[in-house]
Amino acid sequence: DIQMTQSPSSLSASVGDRVTITCRASQSISYYINWYQLKPGKAPKILIYGASNLQSGVPSRFRGSASGTDFTLTISNLQPEDFATYFCQQTYRFPYTFGQGTRLEI
Amino acid sequence: QAQLVESGGGVVQPGKSLRLSCVASGFSFSKFGMHWVRQAPGRGLEWVAFISYDGSNNKVADSVKGRFTISRDNSNNTLYLQMNSLRIEETGVYSCARDIGGDFSYFEPWGQGTLVTVSS
Repeated sequence: DIQMTQSPSSLSASVGDRVTITCRASQSISYYINWYQLKPGKAPKILIYGASNLQSGVPSRFRGSASGTDFTLTISNLQPEDFATYFCQQTYRFPYTFGQGTRLEI
Repeated sequence: QAQLVESGGGVVQPGKSLRLSCVASGFSFSKFGMHWVRQAPGRGLEWVAFISYDGSNNKVADSVKGRFTISRDNSNNTLYLQMNSLRIEETGVYSCARDIGGDFSYFEPWGQGTLVTVSS
């Protein structure tokens, strides 16, 4: 199985900050990585698909990038509604696997 | 808009069975592959199973192979997960999700999930 190692597991930041969350794949997954946002009591929301494609309706302050087997989600100009949990997912090969998640706190 | 609503969760003893349902609305259900994903308390997400748009192809995680079966009824816009021989460690929230497909597979939307508690 492809392991997705996500870091950090938690992160403290302030409104207006820029933060970076990273996922490292245990093998090549091309650009088959997605990023989701999870808030308590709500269904996960897709932010970025295919490593760098912004889902329709998602603010442009969310950005995804890739370098080999390292993938990054960057959130610029943090807004109050951005404080949530984020996780990555590889869809290169079954079984699809997820990172352990990053809890972004104020 | 596209929506998924799960049901069928509850408390079940170890070794027993449960069938989960996921009703889709707001999109052409028969045109999309579907997944089940679970999250145990305090743990990360685990992909459980996939079924193709027409039910002709399916995959399940090794951890549930031989015990869980994914199926669908396109005439009723419903996805199922039959879970047999349940284990205590399979307690968690089970969610269904649509696979957008295309060049890059991703899940959108997800349901809010149904809680399965395996306990004696």
